Amino acid sequence: EDQVTQSPEALRLQEGESSSLNCSYTVSGLRGLFWYRQDPGKGPEFLFTLYSAGEEKEKERLKATLTKKESFLHITAPKPEDSATYLCAVQDGTYKYIFGTGTRLKVLA
Amino acid sequence: ETGVTQSPTHLIKTRGQQVTLRCSSQSGHNTVSWYQQALGQGPQFIFQYYREEENGRGNFPPRFSGLQFPNYSSELNVNALELDDSALYLCASSLPSALGRVIEETQYFGPGTRLLVL
Repeated sequence: EDQVTQSPEALRLQEGESSSLNCSYTVSGLRGLFWYRQDPGKGPEFLFTLYSAGEEKEKERLKATLTKKESFLHITAPKPEDSATYLCAVQDGTYKYIFGTGTRLKVLA
Repeated sequence: ETGVTQSPTHLIKTRGQQVTLRCSSQSGHNTVSWYQQALGQGPQFIFQYYREEENGRGNFPPRFSGLQFPNYSSELNVNALELDDSALYLCASSLPSALGRVIEETQYFGPGTRLLVL
């Protein structure tokens, strides 16, 4: 069965303290892996799509990487405005999307 | 702003009733997906529509149904509401495009409809 597991569930960082969020997955026929940011009471905001192992994408303080079994979202020198829940999702060969439960990130000033 | 809107923003229903939620996709997007997100959980995929046809479905019973219209708006209908249907319902629109052998499909989410079933 397709599955996405994110860790840690919650993470508290000091401003400027870099870290990584993990997304491990099991999926039949991976069509893509997606990272989203979600603020309380709002819909998820698209960050990255990764399609094949070895692919990397960057946006401001965020960098996403992909292997055959997991993806990492690296946050470099985070700021308080980076505080949010970060969601990972995969799309399988039947076009179905499977989301993880997210990592709640809190960046302290 | 993603250009995806949903209505209503909040809704209260009682068990056994029926509900229709609406989504207006980003202009030109021919694919729409619907999700259910319980508090503290990730979104659960309900189904996807591509050019007005269902294109994939998650593990939801048939009382969850949908429609997509030629103007790219869509509806999620839920019959015989149960207490566990209380959640945030999200729609996401996309325009799949081919990049060589890869089909790129970036989803843009609306703000959601919060449904409470009493």
